[in-house]
Amino acid sequence: NAGVTQTPKFQVLKTGQSMTLQCAQDMNHEYMSWYRQDPGMGLRLIHYSVGAGITDQGEVPNGYNVSRSTTEDFPLRLLSAAPSQTSVYFCASSQGTGYYEQYFGPGTRLTVT
Amino acid sequence: AQSVAQPEDQVNVAEGNPLTVKCTYSVSGNPYLFWYVQYPNRGLQFLLKYITGDNLVKGSYGFEAEFNKSQTSFHLKKPSALVSDSALYFCAVREYSSNTGKLIFGQGTTLQVKP
Repeated sequence: NAGVTQTPKFQVLKTGQSMTLQCAQDMNHEYMSWYRQDPGMGLRLIHYSVGAGITDQGEVPNGYNVSRSTTEDFPLRLLSAAPSQTSVYFCASSQGTGYYEQYFGPGTRLTVT
Repeated sequence: AQSVAQPEDQVNVAEGNPLTVKCTYSVSGNPYLFWYVQYPNRGLQFLLKYITGDNLVKGSYGFEAEFNKSQTSFHLKKPSALVSDSALYFCAVREYSSNTGKLIFGQGTTLQVKP
């Protein structure tokens, strides 16, 4: 199993540009989520999905869109990049909610200039 | 509202000494509690979790954690630290009743183990 994969590893955008961060998992997990990691702030939930076709907002959803057309894939779209979106983004998946632990991808480091 | 606090930004220990990384939490109901470790430029790796039952939970790489309901704490411990344990550690909580699966993370504690 590859686990959770994310592409790209690094990205530099100009303010106003859009892009999609890719996330895929091969563990047949129902639950997937996107976090951003900023120094001294831990990880903050952006969006999550409890299954294909179902998504919902987390703590910091503004400026981001998601969709979940398949169990495997959960892309994160930045609609119009802003410097405040400079961060490290992590995708995670788990068998479900409750006591299931989440498995994390390697992250995407995004810089918006 | 759920929250997690890791009161120490950094913990320094000598190799071979015991280590403790502190975590306290706040939830309105019963918690599921997790510890993750992050090595430089890597994603988070799961270490251990508390679901119910025995208050002492054992996990990967010789780590354990003690759940204390009265103090709402879930401190991570290891009897003998290794230099390779140096990393960033995150505590996280999820409520039993949460149907969103939302995991709330602490801000992280950097563990530095010196030879």
